[in-house]
Amino acid sequence: GENVEQHPSTLSVQEGDSAVIKCTYSDSASNYFPWYKQELGKGPQLIIDIRSNVGEKKDQRIAVTLNKTAKHFSLHITETQPEDSAVYFCAASIREYGNKLVFGAGTILRVKS
Amino acid sequence: EPEVTQTPSHQVTQMGQEVILRCVPISNHLYFYWYRQILGQKVEFLVSFYNNEISEKSEIFDDQFSVERPDGSNFTLKIRSTKLEDSAMYFCASSADSLRGTYNEQFFGPGTRLTVL
Repeated sequence: GENVEQHPSTLSVQEGDSAVIKCTYSDSASNYFPWYKQELGKGPQLIIDIRSNVGEKKDQRIAVTLNKTAKHFSLHITETQPEDSAVYFCAASIREYGNKLVFGAGTILRVKS
Repeated sequence: EPEVTQTPSHQVTQMGQEVILRCVPISNHLYFYWYRQILGQKVEFLVSFYNNEISEKSEIFDDQFSVERPDGSNFTLKIRSTKLEDSAMYFCASSADSLRGTYNEQFFGPGTRLTVL
């Protein structure tokens, strides 16, 4: 079955700097890759996603890139702010909809002010 | 903004007891899911539910687990005889908005923390 690896496990950046989190997946059939942000005591919140027919997607300070050949995708956060501090999870899914998400282990992002 | 809701937020039970975790998915969504997250570990898929039946389940989802959509709004997860290792945060999610035409995005509830003593 699908396996998703995520790095780093913790990331500490200075406010205003950029943060990059990387994930690799094992199943070449995966075609949907969401990123979730989880704050303490809350459920995962979808922040951005990408489908396998595009290589990059951007939403304000957040961008995601996908390399299907290498089977890896990355989350880029620019101009980080203290409120970006949270746990970030990548995930992969095989079917267009209705399919389970396979999650990475998560990255604890700390933005120091 | 519509959201997934879950009750209770925290459930404490004795080993061997039955628990029912409740969820209200987003209206108009077609797929419903349960995931769990053991403290410090990955979020793991348990089961997906569509058209009043299970569409997929993981190895974790054994005979002790069951799901039900008892009415048009609630979605429940039942654990018949809880074990210590069932202690985890349980998340409900829903997806596939038939009216808005969004299918992939899964929206998660705030979770129920289950503690088995």
